[in-house]
Parts: sequence; structure tokens; C-alpha cells
Amino acid sequence: GNSVTQMEGPVTLSEEAFLTINCTYTATGYPSLFWYVQYPGEGLQLLLKATKADDKGSNKGFEATYRKETTSFHLEKGSVQVSDSAVYFCALRKRDGNNRLAFGKGNQVVVIP
Amino acid sequence: DTEVTQTPKHLVMGMTNKKSLKCEQHMGHRAMYWYKQKAKKPPELMFVYSYEKLSINESVPSRFSPECPNSSLLNLHLHALQPEDSALYLCASSQVQGNTDTQYFGPGTRLTVL
Repeated sequence: GNSVTQMEGPVTLSEEAFLTINCTYTATGYPSLFWYVQYPGEGLQLLLKATKADDKGSNKGFEATYRKETTSFHLEKGSVQVSDSAVYFCALRKRDGNNRLAFGKGNQVVVIP
Repeated sequence: DTEVTQTPKHLVMGMTNKKSLKCEQHMGHRAMYWYKQKAKKPPELMFVYSYEKLSINESVPSRFSPECPNSSLLNLHLHALQPEDSALYLCASSQVQGNTDTQYFGPGTRLTVL
């Protein structure tokens, strides 16, 4: 079935460090891929998305490229800020006619000043 | 505008109470969703409405009763809840299908059942 795997565990890094969060997926066909961010005490916000292979989604300095050959959609940011501290969820849209999302487990990112 | 609003922001209720959560969007989306999210977990889908008709019920207990009175509004009626139902309840909306079918989430209602 369709599923998303995110790397285990929280990510703690210093301000201005480079951030990578790994996301791999299993799906039939060509799902749309998303990164959502959840700041403390808030709902999910769409961070970026890609709908086909080799698409690069980008927003607020974050980027992710839809890699069909490695079934990956890793999130990167070149220089993180304290305000980037949040939980990041990778998700794919199942093309089942119901627009369901399959979420990864999420990664807590903590940026230390 | 990609805003989904939810009220109330916080809700505390007893196990014998009846309450309702409300969700509203004005993006012209015809699909609306309820999710339940426990701490440090991803959201879990509860219900999906498509063109104001219930299309998915993910085996949710009957103490949760969804309602979609029109294309902009989605309610979740709560009755006789259990403490384990305490969670963040998220509403989302999207186009029904196609490449512009991104789900946009509201800020959530944090529910505490005593």
C-alpha cells in the first residue's frame, strides 16, 4: 500500500546549520508529495509540495525534490533559524478518488540559538 | 486565501456533555475532512465529505457525529466522550480531485474530556 517513512527521532541543531529530514515513500503510480509543518500549539501548515517526478517544491528557504528513482522527497534548508523549530510531516496523496493523505510519523526539529 | 477556521480553539467537556466543533472555509473546496491528532503523532483521518455527502468514515465510534450543512461548513458533534478522546481535532479542506487537491488545515480545536 501507500506509505511514507521518515527518519527516526528528533533533530536538534544550532542556528544557521544545514537541515535535512529524510522522507521515502512506497506507492503505486505517481502520488503527489507534501511537507507539512506544525508549530507548537498550532495546526498543520502546507510547507511545500511536488506533483510529479523531478519537481522541486520550495518555500521559506525550504526545498524538496521529488525523486522517483529513489522514491524520496527529502526536506532541506541551508540555514535554519530558531523560528523553524516545529514538527515536520512528510505526506503523500493517495490517488484513490478520495484524496486521502498518508503521513509519515513526523520529525521534531529543535533549533538552538 | 487558504484559510480554514475552527471554533472553539479549546474545549473542556465532561463525559456526559454534548458539544460541537465547527469548521469553515471559503476557498470553494468541495471536500472537507476531520482528523484526530494525539500528541507527537501524525493526524489520523476520521471522516471525509465530498460534495456535502459523507464519503469516508474510518470506523469512528458513534459518539462522534459529523455534519456538513453546506459546502463551506463542517461540524463535528460530540456526545458521551471518553477521556481517551482528548486530542487536537483538525479540519481540512481541498478540491475533490485533480492536481489542485492540496489539503489545507485549520488551527485545530484542542479537546479535553474529563
